[in-house]
This record gives sequence, C-alpha cells and structure tokens, in this order.
Amino acid sequence: GQNIDQPTEMTATEGAIVQINCTYQTSGFNGLFWYQQHAGEAPTFLSYNVLDGLEEKGRFSSFLSRSKGYSYLLLKELQMKDSASYLCAVREGGSYIPTFGRGTSLIVHP
Amino acid sequence: GAVVSQHPSWVICKSGTSVKIECRSLDFQATTMFWYRQFPKQSLMLMATSNEGSKATYEQGVEKDKFLINHASLTLSTLTVTSAHPEDSSFYICSASIGSQETQYFGPGTRLLVL
Repeated sequence: GQNIDQPTEMTATEGAIVQINCTYQTSGFNGLFWYQQHAGEAPTFLSYNVLDGLEEKGRFSSFLSRSKGYSYLLLKELQMKDSASYLCAVREGGSYIPTFGRGTSLIVHP
Repeated sequence: GAVVSQHPSWVICKSGTSVKIECRSLDFQATTMFWYRQFPKQSLMLMATSNEGSKATYEQGVEKDKFLINHASLTLSTLTVTSAHPEDSSFYICSASIGSQETQYFGPGTRLLVL
C-alpha cells in the first residue's frame, strides 16, 4: 500500500510563490502526478514526474526526489484563480492506477 | 484534446431508485476508464476500473452488485447506482486513459443527492 501525505491547507498572497509538499511511502515507485481541483469540479492534470528533478511548465513546476519519497509543486506569480485543491497522486510499481492524497486546499488572497 | 464528458452533471433521486451515470471520451478511444467517488473534503477514492469489453475490477469494499459498471465501447462507460440510499450521496467522477500507462483525463463529475 501507499501512504501519501500533504498539508491540509495553505494560504498565500496574490503575486507570491507557494510550494506544496507531498511525501509518500511506497513499495515501488512508478510515477507521481499533480492535479488541480476547483471546488465542485473534477481534477485537471498539472504534471507528471517519474525521474528525479524539476519539471517546469509555465507558472507551475514540479520536483521529485525518489530517494526521499518527496515531491513538491511550485506555483509562481499566484493568481486568485489558483485557489483550489492540489492533489498529489502516486503510482506504485506493478500498478498503473495512482493513489490520491487528500489534497492541499490553497487559498490565495489579495 | 483528451476531453471526457459525464452526464448528468447532477441528479437528485429518491431513496431506493437507481441512477445511471454516463462517461464518454469525446476525442479519443479510452481502453481503460476509472470510476471514483469523492466525499466533501476527502480525496478521490477509486471504486472500479473498467476495460472495454470485459468485466470491471472493483476495489475492496465496493459492492459490485450495487455499483454496476458497463464499458460497452471504447468511448462509453456507465455507472449505475442501484437502490440508492442517502449514504450514496457523493461526487462521482470518471476518468479515461488511452493506454494503461497513460495519464488519466477526468470528466467534470456528477453530483448525486439521494433523498
């Protein structure tokens, strides 16, 4: 099984940078996903990491360290519309289905 | 590309009735579709995985006779909640992937309220 841990809630100021951490324990690793989910809506795909390092995609970047069982999602130049829940999902070796963490609710205020 | 639709977007029904939810991949053929349930402020919980033309694989604790899944084509999967009860009220989300290792694309979700 997997144990995925992320902070429950974070707040940040518009225009700032925020880092959302995700730690996991798994008996094999086969990729980590980050999804954004606005209230009452389905998740939308943000990033996928399978190798160590930083993947940058516009204002969003995702980092992975497999040896530490650790990932983070970095959001730059925060906008009000970035207020949402951010889900970390880990795929275990031998399974193609990721397990989702509880999500981190990010509140961006002016 | 990779658009997944769900219908209906929300439904209110009486206890004891059955509700069918459709999930369609609009611009790609989905070999695998997934059904999730999400309670307020909780994470997505996988209910079942379905592959076109074969029986769905249910997660532990999910009653296959209560949550009927049909994946009749590469673009359509249906979830039927039979004899719904108030505790079945939840947000049901489907997702689809092109291959077993591909990223999942989520539908907009169906909010079910059982009175």
